[in-house]
Amino acid sequence: ETGVTQSPTHLIKTRGQQVTLRCSSQSGHNTVSWYQQALGQGPQFIFQYYREEENGRGNFPPRFSGLQFPNYSSELNVNALELDDSALYLCASSLTGKKYFGPGTRLTVL
Amino acid sequence: LAKTTQPISMDSYEGQEVNITCSHNNIATNDYITWYQQFPSQGPRFIIQGYKTKVTNEVASLFIPADRKSSTLSLPRVSLSDTAVYYCLVGVDDSNYQLIWGAGTKLIIKP
Repeated sequence: ETGVTQSPTHLIKTRGQQVTLRCSSQSGHNTVSWYQQALGQGPQFIFQYYREEENGRGNFPPRFSGLQFPNYSSELNVNALELDDSALYLCASSLTGKKYFGPGTRLTVL
Repeated sequence: LAKTTQPISMDSYEGQEVNITCSHNNIATNDYITWYQQFPSQGPRFIIQGYKTKVTNEVASLFIPADRKSSTLSLPRVSLSDTAVYYCLVGVDDSNYQLIWGAGTKLIIKP
């Protein structure tokens, strides 16, 4: 148990729809990062938030956006879903560099 | 950001010691080496981190030679539950940098 929770655990959407994924960080962790993990691949960094500000972004288009709230929980929003967005979405909270990952949200886009 | 190379897969048997080697020829002076473990449909779990020489914790040991161009994760007396994907990452994991995750090493432990 890492203390990081994500919701929902599974989600099915259709192409063109929008989705919001949620992450509750481990207590006291002010940094949260989001990753996309396709089947058989390692996690790909989407972006990171530190104290409610985005401070790092990977090679993902603007339709991937996020928020971090004062209690350090976080959201990942994806607009105009594409079939290739089907993946496991992971969030990780950290305080001093060591990351604590949540169990992930499995998103399927049909 | 330093890239890493590790075997795609490895097999071993219960009770054996397993060593997974990772190459990182372009490691920078400030880079740390971090290993994560991931079970299917779960998030990665931190195993161990080191900078040089040897680090040991209750789960594993990490051996880093003097030139730091490679590292070896050692899992003592593995069990079936150690079957997982193991990722080697190299970098300075602070707010300004993000580590690059490769495909990892799929370790299969047989009875």
